[in-house]
Amino acid sequence: AQSVTQPDIHITVSEGASLELRCNYSYGATPYLFWYVQSPGQGLQLLLKYFSGDTLVQGIKGFEAEFKRSQSSFNLRKPSVHWSDAAEYFCAVGNDYKLSFGAGTTVTVRA
Amino acid sequence: NAGVTQTPKFQVLKTGQSMTLQCAQDMNHNSMYWYRQDPGMGLRLIYYSASEGTTDKGEVPNGYNVSRLNKREFSLRLESAAPSQTSVYFCASTDRAVTEAFFGQGTRLTVV
Repeated sequence: AQSVTQPDIHITVSEGASLELRCNYSYGATPYLFWYVQSPGQGLQLLLKYFSGDTLVQGIKGFEAEFKRSQSSFNLRKPSVHWSDAAEYFCAVGNDYKLSFGAGTTVTVRA
Repeated sequence: NAGVTQTPKFQVLKTGQSMTLQCAQDMNHNSMYWYRQDPGMGLRLIYYSASEGTTDKGEVPNGYNVSRLNKREFSLRLESAAPSQTSVYFCASTDRAVTEAFFGQGTRLTVV
């Protein structure tokens, strides 16, 4: 069965600082991997996705993620956060006709 | 292009009442999903339907039933609502290969 782990429940970062959110997955083969963002009271927006090929994936809003097969990880990064990046971030894995999510990481941005 | 449409957006039920959450997608997707979102627990899969005519249990199916009415529509029914079912519910759809998921705007359900 596939599963997703996001080890960090909450991260606080200063505006302008870099951000890295961790995601580990469990699946027998290489799954499809996703990062979604959810602002308070809103639905989910896709930031980026990985299927195959280049292991460094660029997404919207200046985010990128790196797939590391050896570590079963798909960490999300942003070089310089903006106050508007305060939100909850979800990693997801898709395959076998299912899409499973991690528990999420809440990001707080301080001025 | 509406994408995924969920109704209603808000609902308050009394314990023991029943209701059906409706979901429709217009992207010709094969797979559809129902999730519930609770603080600190992310999105947990209730049921999914890999194709028209099939449904399967997810992580938290107890207390729910689903119907894949046709390729477009996937409904979630609470037969006898309980306060533990207070949550935000999301419907989603994907193509068969799960290359991208599209979500409805969510239903905020309160059971009192």
